[in-house]
Amino acid sequence: AQSVSQHNHHVILSEAASLELGCNYSYGGTVNLFWYVQYPGQHLQLLLKYFSGDPLVKGIKGFEAEFIKSKFSFNLRKPSVQWSDTAEYFCAVNPLMIYNQGGKLIFGQGTELSVKP
Amino acid sequence: DAMVIQNPRYQVTQFGKPVTLSCSQTLNHNVMYWYQQKSSQAPKLLFHYYDKDFNNEADTPDNFQSRRPNTSFCFLDIRSPGLGDAAMYLCATSRASITAGGPYNEQFFGPGTRLTVL
Repeated sequence: AQSVSQHNHHVILSEAASLELGCNYSYGGTVNLFWYVQYPGQHLQLLLKYFSGDPLVKGIKGFEAEFIKSKFSFNLRKPSVQWSDTAEYFCAVNPLMIYNQGGKLIFGQGTELSVKP
Repeated sequence: DAMVIQNPRYQVTQFGKPVTLSCSQTLNHNVMYWYQQKSSQAPKLLFHYYDKDFNNEADTPDNFQSRRPNTSFCFLDIRSPGLGDAAMYLCATSRASITAGGPYNEQFFGPGTRLTVL
């Protein structure tokens, strides 16, 4: 069965520190990859996505992620975090299967990021 | 603004009492999804509609049903809620597009309905 693993459940950083959140998935075929963010009290919002092309994708608010196919990874990075980045971050994978009409997202467990001012 | 709306935001029901959660969208997307998210867990897809075609996940209990009367609305019916069904229920939409690296583009989520079962 396909699965997504986020290695860090809770990350605590000080402002201006660099961030890297790990995400690995298990599926041997073609995938679409996403990072979603959920700020406190708000709904899931898309940070960035990878469909094809340049494996380094840039998203909103200075976030970027790199798809490394050989490692089945899609790690999220930000060079300098801000207090306003405090949120929960979810990696999600859409395995592209011929019989799957639905664009199913398989989510990781989420990483809670706390940024200290 | 175009968006995904879920009502109610909080729902309390009694054990075994049927409950319906509502989702509407102004995005005119042709795919609508229902996810269940339990505390400290990842959202898990229950089922989705691709236009009028219903697609159930293999491990979704029969207790969960869905209706999509038109493009804009989708309902989640829980026929006999158990204590284990207490969770956040998320509705999402997407536009199926074969040009977007897809055939599917990203999913847009509503704020969720938190269901409590007493």
